Amino acid sequence: AQTVTQSQPEMSVQEAETVTLSCTYDTSESDYYLFWYKQPPSRQMILVIRQEAYKQQNATENRFSVNFQKAAKSFSLKISDSQLGDAAMYFCAYRRASGTYKYIFGTGTRLKVLA
Amino acid sequence: DTAVSQTPKYLVTQMGNDKSIKCEQNLGHDTMYWYKQDSKKFLKIMFSYNNKELIINETVPNRFSPKSPDKAHLNLHINSLELGDSAVYFCASSQVHNYEQYFGPGTRLTVT
Repeated sequence: AQTVTQSQPEMSVQEAETVTLSCTYDTSESDYYLFWYKQPPSRQMILVIRQEAYKQQNATENRFSVNFQKAAKSFSLKISDSQLGDAAMYFCAYRRASGTYKYIFGTGTRLKVLA
Repeated sequence: DTAVSQTPKYLVTQMGNDKSIKCEQNLGHDTMYWYKQDSKKFLKIMFSYNNKELIINETVPNRFSPKSPDKAHLNLHINSLELGDSAVYFCASSQVHNYEQYFGPGTRLTVT
């Protein structure tokens, strides 16, 4: 069975600094997708960034980028120039590319941004 | 234009009652999901429908019954509510060949 692990329950970063959130996963599949979702206090789940496993190039969305290490089954999220609005729970998620379209979420990392 | 909407956003009820949560998406997606997020923020899938057909049915008490009248709607009915059912319930949708998943705003259910 696939699993997603976020080993950092909570992280803090100074405003304008850079922070990296860790995520590891376990799967026997070769084709899959990985995601980072943000959940601010409003509780709305917002897709931050996605990565297709077949792509070697790391995904980037403005200040958000990932470090995807397929062999190590690692998918970390880097937030550059952190802003107060980045404070939220961040969830890493996995989905197989075929078969049942089930998304598996990690336990989340609470990010605090210090002014 | 709300993509995925849920009603109600808040629901407070007593143990033993029956309640429903409604979900609608206007994205034209063919797959819809129900998730439960507990007090520790753990997000777990409960059900998924693809074109009105149940495709994911996780280990969920029989008191929970999803219903999909059409591709745009997925409702969740809960019988005989228990204290442990208190949580935030999220509806989500996606297109089967497009892996992006969009979430509704969530329904906070409190059972007293």
